[in-house]
Amino acid sequence: EVQLVETGGGLIQPGGSLRLSCVASGFTVSTNYMSWVRQAPGKGLEWVSVIYSGGSTYYADSVKGRFTISRDNIENTLYLQMNSLRAEDTAVYYCARGIASSSPFDYWGQGTLVTVSS
Amino acid sequence: DIQMTQSPSSLSASVGDRVTITCRASQTISTYLNWYQQKPGKAPKLLIYAASSLQSGVPSRFSGSGSGTDFTLTISSLQPEDFATYYCQQSYIGRTFGQGTKVEIK
Repeated sequence: EVQLVETGGGLIQPGGSLRLSCVASGFTVSTNYMSWVRQAPGKGLEWVSVIYSGGSTYYADSVKGRFTISRDNIENTLYLQMNSLRAEDTAVYYCARGIASSSPFDYWGQGTLVTVSS
Repeated sequence: DIQMTQSPSSLSASVGDRVTITCRASQTISTYLNWYQQKPGKAPKLLIYAASSLQSGVPSRFSGSGSGTDFTLTISSLQPEDFATYYCQQSYIGRTFGQGTKVEIK
């Protein structure tokens, strides 16, 4: 059974850093197209970042230069390192799987809440 | 960047109603269009991919159509469990979501 479980969210002060983890089971992270998607409170979905099976990474303009996506092939885990956090980064962060670069997100985690506030 | 515009942003409907939600892309995206359903406090769920293909396990009352820039999600007979927010998403270049359509009980 495919499962994605995110952890690492919490309350962090502006300017701080946080690392989110997404542990996958039932499939191999490194052979899929893995993304992070976020949703600010009461708002819609915003794609944040992707890592391709080949290792290429891409970011939304809103997080470029501050966030880094990576994966651990042994631990079968996806990460999102978030630096220089801002109030507008407050959101539920979901990891999601796509089989290929043009595929939909067929599996999602349950989400982890990041709150940036002093 | 490709922009996705959904309409309406919300609608009220009754059980048994036929519901249609539209999504327009700012440039042609062929059929790289997906639809998701999201209920409060839950992760989105894939309903339709490639504009008109029904994801496994999704009831057949859901259908999608369109190509190019204009797309439609139709629920043929609204059920109580269908009250939720629906998002379109393009997967032609990168990923962009529409702003969502909230389907409420009339």
